[in-house]
Amino acid sequence: AQSVTQPDIHITVSEGASLELRCNYSYGATPYLFWYVQSPGQGLQLLLKYFSGDTLVQGIKGFEAEFKRSQSSFNLRKPSVHWSDAAEYFCAVDVYGNKLVFGAGTILRVKS
Amino acid sequence: DAGVIQSPRHEVTEMGQEVTLRCKPISGHNSLFWYRQTMMRGLELLIYFNNNVPIDDSGMPEDRFSAKMPNASFSTLKIQPSEPRDSAVYFCAINGRHGYTFGSGTRLTVV
Repeated sequence: AQSVTQPDIHITVSEGASLELRCNYSYGATPYLFWYVQSPGQGLQLLLKYFSGDTLVQGIKGFEAEFKRSQSSFNLRKPSVHWSDAAEYFCAVDVYGNKLVFGAGTILRVKS
Repeated sequence: DAGVIQSPRHEVTEMGQEVTLRCKPISGHNSLFWYRQTMMRGLELLIYFNNNVPIDDSGMPEDRFSAKMPNASFSTLKIQPSEPRDSAVYFCAINGRHGYTFGSGTRLTVV
């Protein structure tokens, strides 16, 4: 079945430490890929997206993500986490250019 | 979020009442989507429209749910009658030349 998997429900990192959030998808074709962030009680904000070309994508707030076709992955990274990064992060795929399917989300907690 | 306006931001209603959620997207989009977010089920696509025509409503949970898009600038999601399990945040989103843009959501509480 087509799906988007975020294997980590919760992740806790110390402020200043590096971060990697995992995302795997299960589709036959290479989809368009997205990462969104949601703060409590807020809407969804786009961090970055991959359509084609360079597989390392830079986004807002110092985030980047790397598309690895062989692993069907699109992991989100940040070299140094700030306390304000605490939020829930969603990976999403758009397979046929007509709708977004979301992963279950990863809640990031930042320790000071 | 300025590209998609949802109203109301919060809605509290009693079980059995009709609830109507509204979405006003900016112009220049091709598609409009309604999503529901709950703790248990995450973000679920309920229905989407392309050029104001419903394309896929397989995510609509029951016949109590209906959605309309009478024109490119307005869409509604109606629940009649509402039930406590409908409590969730409902997001409207569009896909246009700027990609996917989400509204701020409507937090629905059915008591």
